[in-house]
Amino acid sequence: EIVMTQSPATLSVSPGERATLSCRASQSVSSNLAWYQQKPGQAPRLLIYGASTRATGIPARFSGSGSGTEFTLTISSLQSEDFAVYYCQQYNNWPYAFGQGTKLEIK
Amino acid sequence: QVQLVQSGAEVKKPGASVKVSCKASGYTFTSHGISWARQAPGQGLEWMGWISGYNGNTKYAQKLQGRVTMTTDTSTSTAYMELRSLRSDDTAVYYCAREVGGYEPNWGQGTLVTVSS
Repeated sequence: EIVMTQSPATLSVSPGERATLSCRASQSVSSNLAWYQQKPGQAPRLLIYGASTRATGIPARFSGSGSGTEFTLTISSLQSEDFAVYYCQQYNNWPYAFGQGTKLEIK
Repeated sequence: QVQLVQSGAEVKKPGASVKVSCKASGYTFTSHGISWARQAPGQGLEWMGWISGYNGNTKYAQKLQGRVTMTTDTSTSTAYMELRSLRSDDTAVYYCAREVGGYEPNWGQGTLVTVSS
């Protein structure tokens, strides 16, 4: 089974600044990596798939990069609505797996 | 627009079973799979499994093998997830999601399952 590890667990950033979230896979997942945003009491929302393709309606300040085992989600110029928990997910091999999440909080 | 509407909250006793439904609309049900994930209180997302909307093939998380069964009813565009021999650590919000090429762009609203004696 592939294990997904996200870092840091919590990231404190001021509004308007850039946030960089990391996700590492225990073995290569090629570019079959998605990022989700989740706010309290809500279902996850797809942000990025294919490691770098923004989902429909996702603002351009969200960008994804990486392949193989190392991936990054970058949020440029943080808005108030961006403070949430972010999960990566690999879908290259069964069983699919989520990372444990990174909580992005206001500094 | 794509919608996934899940059944309501459930309270079950340890050892019982629960069956959560997920009714899909706004797309051709047999063209996509349905994934299931759960989230225990204050915890992260856990991938549970996947079922093909086309032929009912399934993939399950190893830790749930033997306790979980996912099915579909194509006549009503509804997916089901049954979890048996419930334990207190099965208390969670259960989500269904439409799977597209492995990732999930559309999610249900979630169903809270509480396991308590």
